Amino acid sequence: KNEVEQSPQNLTAQEGEFITINCSYSVGISALHWLQQHPGGGIVSLFMLSSGKKKHGRLIATINIQEKHSSLHITASHPRDSAVYICAAASGRDDKIIFGKGTRLHILP
Amino acid sequence: EAGVAQSPRYKIIEKRQSVAFWCNPISGHATLYWYQQILGQGPKLLIQFQNNGVVDDSQLPKDRFSAERLKGVDSTLKIQPAKLEDSAVYLCASSSGTSGPGTQYFGPGTRLLVL
Repeated sequence: KNEVEQSPQNLTAQEGEFITINCSYSVGISALHWLQQHPGGGIVSLFMLSSGKKKHGRLIATINIQEKHSSLHITASHPRDSAVYICAAASGRDDKIIFGKGTRLHILP
Repeated sequence: EAGVAQSPRYKIIEKRQSVAFWCNPISGHATLYWYQQILGQGPKLLIQFQNNGVVDDSQLPKDRFSAERLKGVDSTLKIQPAKLEDSAVYLCASSSGTSGPGTQYFGPGTRLLVL
C-alpha cells in the first residue's frame, strides 16, 4: 500500500462542474502539498497545507490532520484546469516528500 | 525571484546512448533534488544533495546513473548507457531549509524519450 493514496485516478467532467480530488496518507507529516502538472511535465505548486483550509481563486484545499486526509476542490471548472494533480506529503522527520500517483483531470468544453 | 532552471526541456536518444541533464536551483538554496517521473506515476527521488554533498542516493541506479553538484550550485544528472525504461520526466527541485519543512520548488522538467 502506498503511503500517499489519491482518488480518483482519472476524472472527466464538463466545464462548470465542481471537482473534488481526495488524498489520504499514512505517514506523519509536517505539510501536505497539492501540485499541478501540465502535459509538458513542469510542476507548479498550488498549495502547501499544515492545517485547515486555503483558497486561491477557484481552488480550495482542505486538510484534516486527525483523519490524515486532504481534498482539493475546483469550483466552476474550465478546460484549462485539465492537468494531473498530485498530492505530496512532506515527511515530519526530514525534508523528504512522498508523492501520490496523481489524478488526471480532463475538463470538457 | 528566478525559479529552478532545467535544460534541455526535451531529449530523444537511442538506447545505449548517453545523456546529461542540467539544473540550476534557486539562488541560495542549499538542497537540490533530482526526481524521475515515469508516465502515470508520481515522482520518485533519485538523489538529494545538501550543498555539494550527497544526502540520499538510495534509489539511484548507480550502474548507469550518476549525478554531481561540484560547487554546491548547479547540478548535472547523467545516464550512461540509457535503457528504454529510462523514458520519463526528470525533475529538479531545490529548497532552502528556511522556508519551512517540505517547501521544495520544482523546475519545468526534462522529458526524455529513449528509442
